[in-house]
Amino acid sequence: EAGVVQSPRYKIIEKKQPVAFWCNPISGHNTLYWYRQNLGQGPELLIRYENEEAVDDSQLPKDRFSAERLKGVDSTLKIQPAELGDSAVYLCASSPSAARTDTQYFGPGTRLTVL
Amino acid sequence: KQEVTQIPAALSVPEGENLVLNCSFTDSAIYNLQWFRQDPGKGLTSLLLIQSSQREQTSGRLNASLDKSSGRSTLYIAASQPGDSATYLCAVRTTSGTYKYIFGTGTRLKVLA
Repeated sequence: EAGVVQSPRYKIIEKKQPVAFWCNPISGHNTLYWYRQNLGQGPELLIRYENEEAVDDSQLPKDRFSAERLKGVDSTLKIQPAELGDSAVYLCASSPSAARTDTQYFGPGTRLTVL
Repeated sequence: KQEVTQIPAALSVPEGENLVLNCSFTDSAIYNLQWFRQDPGKGLTSLLLIQSSQREQTSGRLNASLDKSSGRSTLYIAASQPGDSATYLCAVRTTSGTYKYIFGTGTRLKVLA
């Protein structure tokens, strides 16, 4: 079974430039998460999707971040414009549902460096 | 607000030692607690998930315990191996709001051959 796929794996951009990350969850998983992990910290949830619906985006900086999950499968996270403080690893995870017993499966992440 | 703390931040042990990693959380209202492993440059891999009604879970050389009332969990690794070297993260799933996971900052483990 294929795991969670993310691309690109690495991205280096200059500040004020736009950037986008892509995530393909495990087939059949209805719930998709985007996390941001700063160096030496644990992941912090940015947004959670149930199928196509964003059910928790309270931590998403909406002035510059946007996300979408078309058709309830793949998802894209965008930053425009990027700032120096956005440098981090962006992790995507998926689970069969949002049930309390469901484990999250993580992708390898996209390491973003903003210069 | 739920806060998750992991102590120690880093640990170095010789191969073969048994070791314990600690995780504490401030709000006992949780659905479950999960331990993850993260290798450098990679995503997280789930090791053990303990439901709030459970006291412990075991998988191979790993044993995780949960004491919800005191806000503590431990991950016990028996007979450590160099391949166990990684960062170990615990996360609690809150019962309030949108039931999201709150992660600790991790313990960076190095097992010396």
